[in-house]
Amino acid sequence: DIQMTQSPSSLSASVGDRVTITCRASQGINNYLAWYQQKPGKVPELLIYTASTLQSGVPSRFSGSGSGTYFTLTISSLQPEDVATYYCQNFNSVPLTFGGGTKVEIK
Amino acid sequence: EVQLVESGGELVQPGGSLKLSCAASGFSFSASVIHWVRQAPGKGLEWVGRIRSKPNNYATAYAASVKDRFTISRDDFKNTAYLQMNSLKTEDTAVYHCTRRGPNDSADYAFDSWGQGTLVTVSS
Repeated sequence: DIQMTQSPSSLSASVGDRVTITCRASQGINNYLAWYQQKPGKVPELLIYTASTLQSGVPSRFSGSGSGTYFTLTISSLQPEDVATYYCQNFNSVPLTFGGGTKVEIK
Repeated sequence: EVQLVESGGELVQPGGSLKLSCAASGFSFSASVIHWVRQAPGKGLEWVGRIRSKPNNYATAYAASVKDRFTISRDDFKNTAYLQMNSLKTEDTAVYHCTRRGPNDSADYAFDSWGQGTLVTVSS
């Protein structure tokens, strides 16, 4: 099974800061990597698929990059409504494993 | 509008069984791959399994943690997917979501729609 490792597990940043979350796969998954945002008490929502394609309706301050085993999710200017836990997911092969999550808070 | 609505979650004793349902609307259910994802209280997301469409022989796949205990099925006439859970353990306590893989012309390598989930509690 492919293991997905996210870092950091949590972070605190100020409004307007640039925030980067990393996700590493234990073996290559091409670009079949998805990112989700889960706000407190809510259902996860798709942010990015195939590593860098922004889902319709997602603000352009979110971006994704990477291929193979190393991926990043960047929020260019952190907003209060971005407080959430972010998950990466291997979509290359079953089991479709998730990373452990990164909790983002406002400083 | 794509909608996925889960039902069937309840309190069950360890060793017991439960069947969850996922009613879909607003998209071509029969052509879609349906997945189940669970989230234990205060924990992260865990993929449970998936079922493919009829052209792909309704092929299923499962996480190791549920393999041989859980079974996913579907009824394309009712636009409903099911998760049969047997030999339940306390560690199966979680909110269970059904999701769909996005369509070929958009988010086809991701889950683009999620149900609200149904809570399964395994406890004596």
